[in-house]
Amino acid sequence: GDSVTQMEGPVTLSEEAFLTINCTYTATGYPSLFWYVQYPGEGLQLLLKATKADDKGSNKGFEATYRKETTSFHLEKGSVQVSDSAVYFCALKLGSQGNLIFGKGTKLSVKP
Amino acid sequence: GAVVSQHPSRVICKSGTSVKIECRSLDFQATTMFWYRQFPKQSLMLMATSNEGSKATYEQGVEKDKFLINHASLTLSTLTVTSAHPEDSSFYICSAWDEGGYTFGSGTRLTVV
Repeated sequence: GDSVTQMEGPVTLSEEAFLTINCTYTATGYPSLFWYVQYPGEGLQLLLKATKADDKGSNKGFEATYRKETTSFHLEKGSVQVSDSAVYFCALKLGSQGNLIFGKGTKLSVKP
Repeated sequence: GAVVSQHPSRVICKSGTSVKIECRSLDFQATTMFWYRQFPKQSLMLMATSNEGSKATYEQGVEKDKFLINHASLTLSTLTVTSAHPEDSSFYICSAWDEGGYTFGSGTRLTVV
């Protein structure tokens, strides 16, 4: 079935380090891909998305490119901040209003 | 942008009692809302899809008689955990589809003692 696999955490980085969180997917069709962020004690917020192959989503310095050939949507940021500490979820959606399928989440801790 | 309000944010209840969680779309109409459950250190698992004016669609393994969902209006869906037990303690999150994408509530931390 359709699924999302993302790297297990926790990931601990120093401030200004480069971040990569890997995400790969399995889908029977052509999904839209998302990254959501969950700050401590809060719900999920959409970070970025891409709806077709080769699209690049970007927001707040984060980027992810929809790679159909490798079925991947890796999240990157060139210089992380302490305020980026959160849990990041990769997700896919099939169809116009299908439900989201989430990866297990990756906890990121950024130390000053 | 679209806002989904979820209430309460935290609730502690005694084993055997029922708890109702509300999810409201504040500035848009949501014909479909989704209820997720998040276990510690795990991902969000879809419990059910709530459809305005009709019965909810439950995912496999989710007890519909235990997790009652009502979507009586275009802006409100409720999840009632009936006869709660400690194993129902979890983080419950609702979301709704708006033309801009999914919007999530801030979640409800349920603790059953």
